[in-house]
Amino acid sequence: GAVVSQHPSWVICKSGTSVKIECRSLDFQATTMFWYRQFPKQSLMLMATSNEGSKATYEQGVEKDKFLINHASLTLSTLTVTSAHPEDSSFYICSASHRSDTQYFGPGTRLTVL
Amino acid sequence: ILNVEQSPQSLHVQEGDSTNFTCSFPSSNFYALHWYRWETAKSPEALFVMTLNGDEKKKGRISATLNTKEGYSYLYIKGSQPEDSATYLCASAGFQKLVFGTGTRLLVSP
Repeated sequence: GAVVSQHPSWVICKSGTSVKIECRSLDFQATTMFWYRQFPKQSLMLMATSNEGSKATYEQGVEKDKFLINHASLTLSTLTVTSAHPEDSSFYICSASHRSDTQYFGPGTRLTVL
Repeated sequence: ILNVEQSPQSLHVQEGDSTNFTCSFPSSNFYALHWYRWETAKSPEALFVMTLNGDEKKKGRISATLNTKEGYSYLYIKGSQPEDSATYLCASAGFQKLVFGTGTRLLVSP
């Protein structure tokens, strides 16, 4: 149980384009979903927290207009990187929880912006 | 701002060896400490959630201890196997937030 999928697993895009990443909880309802990113040799850094049906709460330094998060249902959250630039190249990973402290993670998405 | 540190950064042991690594975290305003196991190309897998000082939890050959007063947790693996090869992450939890360390990468050779 507690499986989270993420799609795509990797994506390469041109600078200036937008990329959407999907995060789904497959066998439970996720009241809260989280988005993290990880740069090389660094730790997973929380970008934003979203509760179903509410606007996401962004961490300091994360641009909400650049990283659009939608959590429209209890099983799906999406992260859209708008007008991506090479500095946005990173590993993006989501997690989901259901009324508990344990977060269940997806396998992540490797984004490369050329 | 929480600062979670893990050591060593990487570790290479032989099959059958027992090993341990450390996670240190700020002891003030402690809420919970999470351990995850992350194999390459897979999702991080939750191992333990620890909340009480002196807590010790066990899952098969893996166990963890917690000292909230001095701000550290140890993860132990007894009789390491090649399938234990992974990155082990710890994270200090605030309300709905996890602050991660950079992980300890373990490689177990047959």
